[in-house]
Amino acid sequence: ETGVTQSPTHLIKTRGQQVTLRCSSQSGHNTVSWYQQALGQGPQFIFQYYREEENGRGNFPPRFSGLQFPNYSSELNVNALELDDSALYLCASSTLEGNYGYTFGSGTRLTVV
Amino acid sequence: GEDVEQSLFLSVREGDSSVINCTYTDSSSTYLYWYKQEPGAGLQLLTYIFSNMDMKQDQRLTVLLNKKDKHLSLRIADTQTGDSAIYFCADRNTGGFKTIFGAGTRLFVKA
Repeated sequence: ETGVTQSPTHLIKTRGQQVTLRCSSQSGHNTVSWYQQALGQGPQFIFQYYREEENGRGNFPPRFSGLQFPNYSSELNVNALELDDSALYLCASSTLEGNYGYTFGSGTRLTVV
Repeated sequence: GEDVEQSLFLSVREGDSSVINCTYTDSSSTYLYWYKQEPGAGLQLLTYIFSNMDMKQDQRLTVLLNKKDKHLSLRIADTQTGDSAIYFCADRNTGGFKTIFGAGTRLFVKA
């Protein structure tokens, strides 16, 4: 059983640029959720994808967008990067109900300078 | 709104028991979780409990749920230095699409 893989592991971008983060979900899971974890904080929900459509969204602006592919892998895109976007971005896969918890990837550390 | 609160720091001696506490506000929370995060890593699911239970034991881990007070605790028996990490409490309600996380409790185990 493969776990959740995220790429890249680290990334440095300049304010105003755009970034794409990638995630492959665990075998048997059809739902991917993305979280932002700022330093010293808990993960904050960005959005969830199921059947290639956004299934729910947290309090993040539209410049945060995503995709899910037929193999359940997913991308997180952030446009017009701001300094406050610097954080660890975590991908979590689950079944749609998610009752038995998430399987998280190791995250992508994004630094915006 | 929905919120999950935890104390930020706990220090124990190796071999002692650790108890990490959490309170949540969502009265419709149905599923409650404990996750562990080691430095530079993602979160690892440790255990979960459904709201119709008041206790769950899994090897060295014991979860207690007081639904009336919306209080959840995680007890780690015989705490080891390898248990040093950040522990997150989280909740989810039936039909909800997101899990809400607390800010995490940093557990420091002294040898």
